[in-house]
Amino acid sequence: DTAVSQTPKYLVTQMGNDKSIKCEQNLGHDTMYWYKQDSKKFLKIMFSYNNKELIINETVPNRFSPKSPDKAHLNLHINSLELGDSAVYFCASSQWLPRGIEQYFGPGTRLTVT
Amino acid sequence: AQSVTQLDSHVSVSEGTPVLLRCNYSSSYSPSLFWYVQHPNKGLQLLLKYTSAATLVKGINGFEAEFKKSETSFHLTKPSAHMSDAAEYFCVVRSNTGKLIFGQGTTLQVKP
Repeated sequence: DTAVSQTPKYLVTQMGNDKSIKCEQNLGHDTMYWYKQDSKKFLKIMFSYNNKELIINETVPNRFSPKSPDKAHLNLHINSLELGDSAVYFCASSQWLPRGIEQYFGPGTRLTVT
Repeated sequence: AQSVTQLDSHVSVSEGTPVLLRCNYSSSYSPSLFWYVQHPNKGLQLLLKYTSAATLVKGINGFEAEFKKSETSFHLTKPSAHMSDAAEYFCVVRSNTGKLIFGQGTTLQVKP
């Protein structure tokens, strides 16, 4: 069974469109994250939800809007896509503890904006 | 604030020789540190983690790392490289808000 899954795996779209990426985890975790990996492979957190509550919101354009309908799901909606949004987006999950808990990553969604 | 610096962007070794990937960290308190590996066009897989227990941490696939507070280092090693070890390796520190802060990554090339 896949622990953290994302759909779609690949997404090619044109500038100005709106798109969504979905993430689901079956690990029973209470915290989920979105990370962005740029073309130089640098990874940076975008958002984090704990029990459906937004707890981390990095400096991300407000065209990006996460939504967590329940603890097992975290979706990412992107409005008015721009060329610079092209990247690989990773979802991750973990248990929330003060420290020391690893995060489990999904396979990634490669977004290409043309 | 926490940060990690991976000292080598690219490391090349021959199959069967030791691997050393270097990482220094900065943290105002005892950190939680991780090494993740990313094979081409794949997601991230946890290799090992340090959470203030034993300073020598053993991970999967024969990798290990040693936490050295005096040197603020958390270098990743493996005694003998396999071709399948060729990948991107990330040293990571966990912040007290739960987010993971990634290093720039080290590309490991393994030559036959």
